[in-house]
Amino acid sequence: SQQGEEDPQALSIQEGENATMNCSYKTSINNLQWYRQNSGRGLVHLILIRSNEREKHSGRLRVTLDTSKKSSSLLITASRAADTASYFCATGDSWGKLQFGAGTQVVVTP
Amino acid sequence: EAGVTQSPTHLIKTRGQQVTLRCSPISGHTSVYWYQQALGLGLQFLLWYDEGEERNRGNFPPRFSGRQFPNYSSELNVNALELEDSALYLCASRYTGGLSSNQPQHFGDGTRLSIL
Repeated sequence: SQQGEEDPQALSIQEGENATMNCSYKTSINNLQWYRQNSGRGLVHLILIRSNEREKHSGRLRVTLDTSKKSSSLLITASRAADTASYFCATGDSWGKLQFGAGTQVVVTP
Repeated sequence: EAGVTQSPTHLIKTRGQQVTLRCSPISGHTSVYWYQQALGLGLQFLLWYDEGEERNRGNFPPRFSGRQFPNYSSELNVNALELEDSALYLCASRYTGGLSSNQPQHFGDGTRLSIL
């Protein structure tokens, strides 16, 4: 079973635009992580936000976490064609186990 | 620093056969996780090994098994292969020293298993 639900399932934008995707989850968490997967490849860790944090930045990425609503969002600013990938949120427990959402497919066209 | 490596990259088997997939974690990582990514089903947690012991397993039948060796590398074995076992099998490792509960998992590129 999967912990998270991601929205939207797919997103198509042009280079330079911002991309926002959301993740909701059901149980209490230790942290929430975002990963990127290029077609047919492994997952690349993007950012981890702890349960006591509300916002985190890494380069063009901005992640928010609202534990009262059990939701998180990932914003990619000034998107590039190389950002085309699937993006997954995953909730982490205190043992380091992850439960993944279904992912958002992002296509950035030049 | 070398990342997580998995072998083989691709594998084709027929129903009923058995398969072994291999994973080498990042140096210094003692935890290894296995996931199945089947088309349309997302990433499903399979197994978690730490310090040579199985710590947890997902909702998969017993024909999915594995082990972790003293050097922390790991194998995933699948017996009596079925068509629905066709998937990308991903291995991840994680650093578990110190304040490790907020350490991310690092993934290999996976083994693509096709069952004919």
